[in-house]
Amino acid sequence: GAVVSQHPSRVICKSGTSVKIECRSLDFQATTMFWYRQFPKQSLMLMATSNEGSKATYEQGVEKDKFLINHASLTLSTLTVTSAHPEDSSFYICSAMGLAGNSGNEQYFGPGTRLTVT
Amino acid sequence: GQNIDQPTEMTATEGAIVQINCTYQTSGFNGLFWYQQHAGEAPTFLSYNVLDGLEEKGRFSSFLSRSKGYSYLLLKELQMKDSASYLCALNDYKLSFGAGTTVTVRA
Repeated sequence: GAVVSQHPSRVICKSGTSVKIECRSLDFQATTMFWYRQFPKQSLMLMATSNEGSKATYEQGVEKDKFLINHASLTLSTLTVTSAHPEDSSFYICSAMGLAGNSGNEQYFGPGTRLTVT
Repeated sequence: GQNIDQPTEMTATEGAIVQINCTYQTSGFNGLFWYQQHAGEAPTFLSYNVLDGLEEKGRFSSFLSRSKGYSYLLLKELQMKDSASYLCALNDYKLSFGAGTTVTVRA
């Protein structure tokens, strides 16, 4: 149980375009989803916390107008990288936290999305 | 910040034991996770320590000492497939990750 999927797994886009990444909890309801970014040989850096039905909370230094997050249902959150630039090329990973008594406090990670901006 | 520190790299021989240390500078957190991450993949859960002491799970054990601001992950009977990055993460509702320790297992 507790499977999280991400789509797409890899995407290449041109500079200036926008890219949407989906994160789905397949077999549980996720009240909270987290979006991370990981550059090569570095650790995961939390970008934002997404709660179903409310605005996302962004970490310091993350532009909310550039990284649009929508958490419209208990099983789906999306991250849209707007006007992408080469420096946005990274590995984007989402995680989902289940309801109390379901998966408790543990976060379940998606397989990640490799974004390359040319 | 929480200043989570891990060694960058470790190398060990197949069948051996390796201990990966994680030190941090914060007192307020719910627990400490250890994750394994292979290159290009998402982290996978290994262990979670809430209370001080040792948690054993097969070949992997994790230890936490809140008073010393210290945790370690112990990998026993190393196998080639254990070559990966190992991340410790403090759980304060949000996760704060260390930079990860790359373990290379050699034959």
